[in-house]
Amino acid sequence: GEQVEQLPSILRVQEGSSASINCTYENSASNYFPWYKQEPGENPKLIIDIRSNMERKQTQGLIVLLDKKAKRFSLHITDTQPGDSAMYFCAGTMDSNYQLIWGSGTKLIIKP
Amino acid sequence: GPKVLQIPSHQIIDMGQMVTLNCDPVSNHLYFYWYKQILGQQMEFLVNFYNGKVMEKSKLFKDQFSVERPDGSYFTLKIQPTALEDSAVYFCASSLGQNSDYTFGSGTRLLVI
Repeated sequence: GEQVEQLPSILRVQEGSSASINCTYENSASNYFPWYKQEPGENPKLIIDIRSNMERKQTQGLIVLLDKKAKRFSLHITDTQPGDSAMYFCAGTMDSNYQLIWGSGTKLIIKP
Repeated sequence: GPKVLQIPSHQIIDMGQMVTLNCDPVSNHLYFYWYKQILGQQMEFLVNFYNGKVMEKSKLFKDQFSVERPDGSYFTLKIQPTALEDSAVYFCASSLGQNSDYTFGSGTRLLVI
């Protein structure tokens, strides 16, 4: 299978709290998992990624976790700010093919 | 950082006409992609291109679609003839390696009427 499932579809959190988005994948050969942020009318921008040789990666308030056994990976945004409001997409891919399989997206809304 | 340029940014076209979407990828990138996004929905892979050839295409890449990159110029997506359901934002992307960081263009908003 080539699906990537993403939940939730909409996430509302209070400014300053953390937000978590979860994705699962079907193909155990998947080995690269990028996360993209897309603002209205803009192109998606890579914010963080993780490869299958890692379980955790952190950069500037973003944490990505990868559980290969459960075929699950997640994005955690700590200390959310209004500028974090956007669509977030997870994706997965394998070395053997040439395409990113995208999740369906999470609309993150930061409440002041 | 390096950018992928897409021309035009918007295009309105009559159903049945031909349209060509142009992409100028990052200069040292070797892999090129087209994705389709309907408003608010996920990106859907159309096709990728490497070394002058289509490597993979999805079911969305209908017979009316074609891609080429003649002599290292623009990487183009041509739709001929267009249908109403082709209305979407088309994003071009490029990457240096097979599954390394993608750089996306700002998209071409295509409206078929």
